[in-house]
Amino acid sequence: EVQLVESGGGLVQPGGSLRLSCAASGFTFSSYSMNWVRQAPGKGLEWVSYISSSSSTIYYADSVKGRFTISRDNAKNSLYLQMNSLRDEDTAVYYCARDSGMGIDYWGQGTLVTVSS
Amino acid sequence: VIWMTQSPSLLSASTGDRVTISCRMSQGISSYLAWYQQKPGKAPELLIYAASTLQSGVPSRFSGSGSGTDFTLTISCLQSEDFATYYCQQYYSFPWTFGQGTKVEIK
Repeated sequence: EVQLVESGGGLVQPGGSLRLSCAASGFTFSSYSMNWVRQAPGKGLEWVSYISSSSSTIYYADSVKGRFTISRDNAKNSLYLQMNSLRDEDTAVYYCARDSGMGIDYWGQGTLVTVSS
Repeated sequence: VIWMTQSPSLLSASTGDRVTISCRMSQGISSYLAWYQQKPGKAPELLIYAASTLQSGVPSRFSGSGSGTDFTLTISCLQSEDFATYYCQQYYSFPWTFGQGTKVEIK
């Protein structure tokens, strides 16, 4: 069974940093591209970042470019999102999401990041 | 950036109704479109990919159509478990973008 389990969310002050992790199991993690997608409270879905299976290709949404860094460790079946210079508008549930090549076929349960003073 | 216009934003319907949700792109994306269902407090779930291919395990009352710039999600006979929010998403080019969502509520 495919499982994606996020961790690392919490309350952080504006300008602060947080590192999200996603532990993957039930599939060959190193064969899949992965994404982070977020959802602000009561709002729609927003794609945040993409990383290819070998980490050779990375993309970011303009809203996070220069502040967030996506990475992965295929030996540990883990995906990461380093978030720096956090802003109020970064408050959201962050989902780890597997790229099937035809959209996102599996999502984690999400981890809540709250940016507030 | 490919902009998406999803409509309606709110749809009131009754069990047994046929409902249709539309998604229009600012430029052509061939068939690189997915549809997701999201229930409150839960992660989205993939319903349809490649515009019209049903994800494994998804009931056949769900169907998708379209290509290029205009796409449609149809639920042929609405069931109680279908009351949720639906999103379209293009994966033709980065940045991936989602529609604004359509909440299907009980009439």
